[in-house]
Amino acid sequence: NAGVTQTPKFRVLKTGQSMTLLCAQDMNHEYMYWYRQDPGMGLRLIHYSVGEGTTAKGEVPDGYNVSRLKKQNFLLGLESAAPSQTSVYFCASKGASSGDFEAFFGQGTRLTVV
Amino acid sequence: AQSVSQHNHHVILSEAASLELGCNYSYGGTVNLFWYVQYSRQRLQLLLRHISRESIKGFTADLNKGETSFHLKKPFAQEEDSAMYYCALSSVFNKFYFGSGTKLNVKP
Repeated sequence: NAGVTQTPKFRVLKTGQSMTLLCAQDMNHEYMYWYRQDPGMGLRLIHYSVGEGTTAKGEVPDGYNVSRLKKQNFLLGLESAAPSQTSVYFCASKGASSGDFEAFFGQGTRLTVV
Repeated sequence: AQSVSQHNHHVILSEAASLELGCNYSYGGTVNLFWYVQYSRQRLQLLLRHISRESIKGFTADLNKGETSFHLKKPFAQEEDSAMYYCALSSVFNKFYFGSGTKLNVKP
């Protein structure tokens, strides 16, 4: 059982380049989330999805776009990377049943924008 | 507005010392509170949640609605407890809000 898998694990981008981070979960979860983790600021929610075909903005959505075309995948896109987007990105998923209280996290993607 | 505050950014303890990591929250509705732990270079994983009122690895956390707090406690810290600890709340809309985290170093 792989759980939540993020691709890639590391990436270095030049300012202005674009890239897509992939999050895949095999738990049939409805909810998926993208967070960024920065020192002293904890995890901040970028975008989230409550189901296939739906997305919504979180706390820090600017400069990012997302898509949830398939229930198991949640893509995070950077159209024009900036040094301020250097961070560790975490994807998470959660089920929608009343007993599903826990969010499961991926292993993280360390992104550096130079 | 919902928020989670962790005022202790870095805690250094000696092994066997008592441990308490502070967490205060602000939320207007029904709330679920959690502690997540992140060991070095690993993914976040759930440590415990307030509803279960259980003890995991010797850790406990009691929800105090009057003080809006959910402090994490352990009577005797161990070196293997060294990690980042995040307090989090989930809202009725299933969004998770995290505190800024507390880095715990337990020295042998």
